[in-house]
Amino acid sequence: SSELTQDPAVSVALGQTVRITCRGDSLRRYYASWYQQKPGQAPVLVIYGKNNRPSGIPDRFSGSSSGNTASLTITGAQAEDEADYYCNSRDSSGNPFGGGTKLTVL
Amino acid sequence: EVHLLESGGALVQPGGSLRLSCAASGFTFSSYAMSWVRQAPGKGLEWVSAISGSGGGTYYADSVKGRFTISRDNSKNTLYLQMNTLRAEDTAVYYCAKDGVFYYGSGTFFYTGEYWGQGTLVTVSS
Repeated sequence: SSELTQDPAVSVALGQTVRITCRGDSLRRYYASWYQQKPGQAPVLVIYGKNNRPSGIPDRFSGSSSGNTASLTITGAQAEDEADYYCNSRDSSGNPFGGGTKLTVL
Repeated sequence: EVHLLESGGALVQPGGSLRLSCAASGFTFSSYAMSWVRQAPGKGLEWVSAISGSGGGTYYADSVKGRFTISRDNSKNTLYLQMNTLRAEDTAVYYCAKDGVFYYGSGTFFYTGEYWGQGTLVTVSS
């Protein structure tokens, strides 16, 4: 089981802002990374470190952290952002991935 | 451009063995730790195992410790996962993933999954 907890599902209206959270004690000690996974596809890294986006990831994706909570924010969600999102912390006990959040864009 | 290509997935009976491979290209393979991450049907991601760039350090999830062995051949740019005594609960898509690294202040930090392969399906069933 994972030490990192995520809300199973979140929804957002098209063009609005949504925050996906990840909680765990390991986040006090280590940065989270975030992955997007669409059905039938491999995960894709969207945020790592303090708030770093890999090349090709739109700037509407951003990351933040406070205490034991890391957050992935999508500002102006698009239809193509509908996917599962997973957090990860290298310093986490057990499975270092959170359980995932299914994002629905309405 | 980084490419990771897994192979070796198959249907295998409980108690059987399988070896997965992951061919890497587009980066200096020996400089990066690599991981195997799996995803059971309809479930989330589960980290399985990791290996340092040199191969000298190996790490396993409790669920596979003693049954799975991770290794790498840096001369062939290939990562392996030997899976023995397979169980039905090992059924999953297995991904190989390249570690990433970033620097903040005076620290060096690593993270799993800068790049991922497309996955290979392992089905354990009689």
